[in-house]
Parts: sequence; C-alpha cells; structure tokens
Amino acid sequence: DAGITQSPRHKVTETGTPVTLRCHQTENHRYMYWYRQDPGHGLRLIHYSYGVKDTDKGEVSDGYSVSRSKTEDFLLTLESATSSQTSVYFCAIEGENEQYFGPGTRLTVT
Amino acid sequence: ELKVEQNPLFLSMQEGKNYTIYCNYSTTSDRLYWYRQDPGKSLESLFVLLSNGAVKQEGRLMASLDTKARLSTLHITAAVHDLSATYFCAPSKGGSEKLVFGKGTKLTVNP
Repeated sequence: DAGITQSPRHKVTETGTPVTLRCHQTENHRYMYWYRQDPGHGLRLIHYSYGVKDTDKGEVSDGYSVSRSKTEDFLLTLESATSSQTSVYFCAIEGENEQYFGPGTRLTVT
Repeated sequence: ELKVEQNPLFLSMQEGKNYTIYCNYSTTSDRLYWYRQDPGKSLESLFVLLSNGAVKQEGRLMASLDTKARLSTLHITAAVHDLSATYFCAPSKGGSEKLVFGKGTKLTVNP
C-alpha cells in the first residue's frame, strides 16, 4: 500500500451544508491531488498541491477549495454542497513516476 | 488543452481471445499511465510509459507508447475472467505532473 487514507469513506449531506474531506499520507510526498469520478467522465482533477501551502486549480475546481497546512494532510472543502457534487472523490499522491490513489470517499448530497 | 480518447468504451470478450484497447491523446505528453479499477474500488497502477517506443508487460497485459502518433495501446492476450475490470489511460499534461484521464474501457471477459 502507498500509505494513503481518506476520511470519511462515506458521507451523506444536505444541499447547502459545508463538507470537508481529508486525505492523509504517510509517505512524505510533495505532490497530492484531489479527483472526482463520475459515470461517463473518468477521473477529473479538482485541485492539487505541490507543497505545504502551495495549491493550484484543476479542471473542475468551481465550488471546491483546498488547504495543506502540513505535508501529510490535504483537505478538500465544499463550502456549500450541491447535488452536482455527488460523486466519488479520490485523493492521490505522486511517488517515483507513479500516482497512487487512496480508497475513495463516496459523497451523496441530497 | 489535452484531450484523451479511449476506444472502445465497452468491451465484451470471450476467455482465451486477444484484444487491444486504444488510447489517443491530443497534445505532447511526457508519460502515460494505465490503471485498472474494479467495481467499488480504487485505481490500481498497471504501467507507466516514459518514452517513445516504451513497451511493458505484466502477465497477460502489454502496454506500448508511440509519442509521435500520440497513441498508447493496452493489449490483452488470452483473456481470463479475472481481467474483467475498467481500464483507464492517463497521459500527463506536458511538463507537469497533472494527469488527464480517458473515460475508461469496461472490459468483461465471459467464460
């Protein structure tokens, strides 16, 4: 295993509520990523981080924010969840010519 | 903008047969990954291809990369049921670590 955990693994929330997903790594890698996976779309990059406090947007960043205050944790926040953000969210870390994926978080917004 | 097209999106094949999944991408890329995903699971790295002409093999799967044609292939030899899964290709955006994923090929191997 690449030493990546995600929490929570499942969450149901209501429209308009804030939600924070956590990605934790034990590998001390510099690059971390958040993706969402939806049927028919493959995986799409939301945000990524290239170091503590260094983050940038991916292709589907609207409605999401991220923070990385220490190397091991990368947080994804939905400020006000919408039904279109119902998805499976994967965190990934960049190793030696390899991106390793976490187990995923299934988020349902009702 | 890097666009990725995988073909086919759905593939049903019999055990023992051979087939190829194609991954075309639109702009220069430094490397290309292939991943496998089982239903309800995370992505498992299969191959990373780093240079033109790169070929890698693991068991019944072989991946190749032609950077000039912007094409990667995943060849399945003598398919077995355990290979049933969804396969994704993901080239990197030129000069960055950001990956762009194809929509995936759902492979079903029938007895």
